[in-house]
Amino acid sequence: AAGVIQSPRHLIKEKRETATLKCYPIPRHDTVYWYQQGPGQDPQFLISFYEKMQSDKGSIPDRFSAQQFSDYHSELNMSSLELGDSALYFCASSFPIAGGGTGELFFGEGSRLTVL
Amino acid sequence: QKEVEQDPGPLSVPEGAIVSLNCTYSNSAFQYFMWYRQYSRKGPELLMYTYSSGNKEDGRFTAQVDKSSKYISLFIRDSQPSDSATYLCAMSAHVYGGSQGNLIFGKGTKLSVKP
Repeated sequence: AAGVIQSPRHLIKEKRETATLKCYPIPRHDTVYWYQQGPGQDPQFLISFYEKMQSDKGSIPDRFSAQQFSDYHSELNMSSLELGDSALYFCASSFPIAGGGTGELFFGEGSRLTVL
Repeated sequence: QKEVEQDPGPLSVPEGAIVSLNCTYSNSAFQYFMWYRQYSRKGPELLMYTYSSGNKEDGRFTAQVDKSSKYISLFIRDSQPSDSATYLCAMSAHVYGGSQGNLIFGKGTKLSVKP
């Protein structure tokens, strides 16, 4: 079965550089969530999109922005990278219960960002 | 104080043991409670999902929610080496999976089941 696809799986950047992470949700899933998981930490909610509109916002820094495109894939853009941005970034997608889905969040395998 | 507290472990048990994992929380608005399993270098995988208080059983796994005590548990019976992973509790005040269904996670408990 198709899963959530994230790219790149690994990314190494220098401080103050920019990075873009991509997420391709499971087909028919219209909701995308971004989470950040630091070393030994729990996943922290960053932002979510429903039907291409931002639906909720968590602890996303102002240096980060995200959007969901017409094909439902999403991109997380990170600028002026800091050492503390080094983390595993997860994307999850869901098909809402109201739409006949289970509502379960399916997570991708994550994109590991290392900032040097 | 974090909204969700979970003992990070590590927890090491022999094969066949009963494992008890717990989380406490402070936000009384939480209504949806989940347990995720995360293997090293993989994304979280949903194990159990419970709405409000009560018990739910699925094979070797049982989830319990006590909203009056703000306490949730996951029990694993007849634990296997393949159960070795980090177990994360997660909660939401909103409709799970809806347009506002972001999750608040615990830190995760690292479990090791020895053969």
